[in-house]
Amino acid sequence: SQQGEEDPQALSIQEGENATMNCSYKTSINNLQWYRQNSGRGLVHLILIRSNEREKHSGRLRVTLDTSKKSSSLLITASRAADTASYFCATSSSNTGKLIFGQGTTLQVKP
Amino acid sequence: GAVVSQHPSRVICKSGTSVKIECRSLDFQATTMFWYRQFPKQSLMLMATSNEGSKATYEQGVEKDKFLINHASLTLSTLTVTSAHPEDSSFYICSARVDRQGVPQPQHFGDGTRLSIL
Repeated sequence: SQQGEEDPQALSIQEGENATMNCSYKTSINNLQWYRQNSGRGLVHLILIRSNEREKHSGRLRVTLDTSKKSSSLLITASRAADTASYFCATSSSNTGKLIFGQGTTLQVKP
Repeated sequence: GAVVSQHPSRVICKSGTSVKIECRSLDFQATTMFWYRQFPKQSLMLMATSNEGSKATYEQGVEKDKFLINHASLTLSTLTVTSAHPEDSSFYICSARVDRQGVPQPQHFGDGTRLSIL
């Protein structure tokens, strides 16, 4: 069963704007990961945040984690048309556990 | 680094055919490999987890006799869809991970295989 629920399901913005996607989960986690999937392709790993971390940055990406609310957010700043993709959060209950994926957010960035 | 190659990218075949999909980690040795299935506009559903030299662990509801997984080496896992039928048509994706003690690691994904059974 899918643990994560992502919000919004779809997001359309103009190039240069920021995009925020949220992910909620139900059970305790060891870590939470965000992935990007371009249409018809595999997934690309973006960021991994551990349960004892609250925020992580990677380039234009910022991920926050609130374990008390069982939620995470992914912020993409200064978006580009190339950021158009589906974004998935995935949780794991241990260091070597399987990933449970959320339903994903489809992001469209208009040039 | 961390490139995973999945082959073939697309298969179209007749009902009753068995189809083999390969997943290779090209520049690293994977401790664990995973097989997922994805329906259009939906999330990934984990089918099974495999470790080199041992039997795969299948998720509930996944028929192990239908979806045969072989993990012959640290760089190769195969998924064989036996006697495929139209309902097996889907997008199948593999991933590979290098496990490190005490440190969670990301999964590295192949580009998927689009399977269409006529």
